[in-house]
Amino acid sequence: EAGVAQSPRYKIIEKRQSVAFWCNPISGHATLYWYQQILGQGPKLLIQFQNNGVVDDSQLPKDRFSAERLKGVDSTLKIQPAKLEDSAVYLCASSLNSGRGYEQYFGPGTRLTVT
Amino acid sequence: AQTVTQSQPEMSVQEAETVTLSCTYDTSESDYYLFWYKQPPSRQMILVIRQEAYKQQNATENRFSVNFQKAAKSFSLKISDSQLGDAAMYFCAYRSEYNNDMRFGAGTRLTVKP
Repeated sequence: EAGVAQSPRYKIIEKRQSVAFWCNPISGHATLYWYQQILGQGPKLLIQFQNNGVVDDSQLPKDRFSAERLKGVDSTLKIQPAKLEDSAVYLCASSLNSGRGYEQYFGPGTRLTVT
Repeated sequence: AQTVTQSQPEMSVQEAETVTLSCTYDTSESDYYLFWYKQPPSRQMILVIRQEAYKQQNATENRFSVNFQKAAKSFSLKISDSQLGDAAMYFCAYRSEYNNDMRFGAGTRLTVKP
């Protein structure tokens, strides 16, 4: 079974530029998560999708971050414009469904550096 | 809001010996799930073990076991017969029964010495 795929693996941009990350979850997984992991910290949930609908985006900085999962499969996360504090690893995860007990499978992450 | 605390930023263990990683959490809920995730240098997080709060029996997965103390809100991970491949960041995580927000601790970096 193929795992969660993410691209690019690394990205360096200047502040005020825009950037997009892509995630392809495990086939058949209805729930998709985007996390931000700042160096030295644990991951923080940014947004959760159930199929193509948003379940939770309470911690997404909506003035600059956006995410979509149009066909209920792969997803993109965009930052526009980027700030220095957005430097982090962005992790995508998926699970068979939401709710109790379902394991989340993580992708390798995208390391973003904002200069 | 639920918080997860890992008080050991770094731990080291000799190969073949046993090490225990600590985790405490704060919640007012009675039903929840606790997890330990491993993140090797390649950054791909993998689930090590999980515990349902309603289960009194401590979870075990081969060399990995937990000591779940619900009243004390403590959830430690014991790694027996440590191997070089166990070296990684270990994250403790909490998830409510009532929503899907996974809360992670800051992590413990485990070094295994040959």
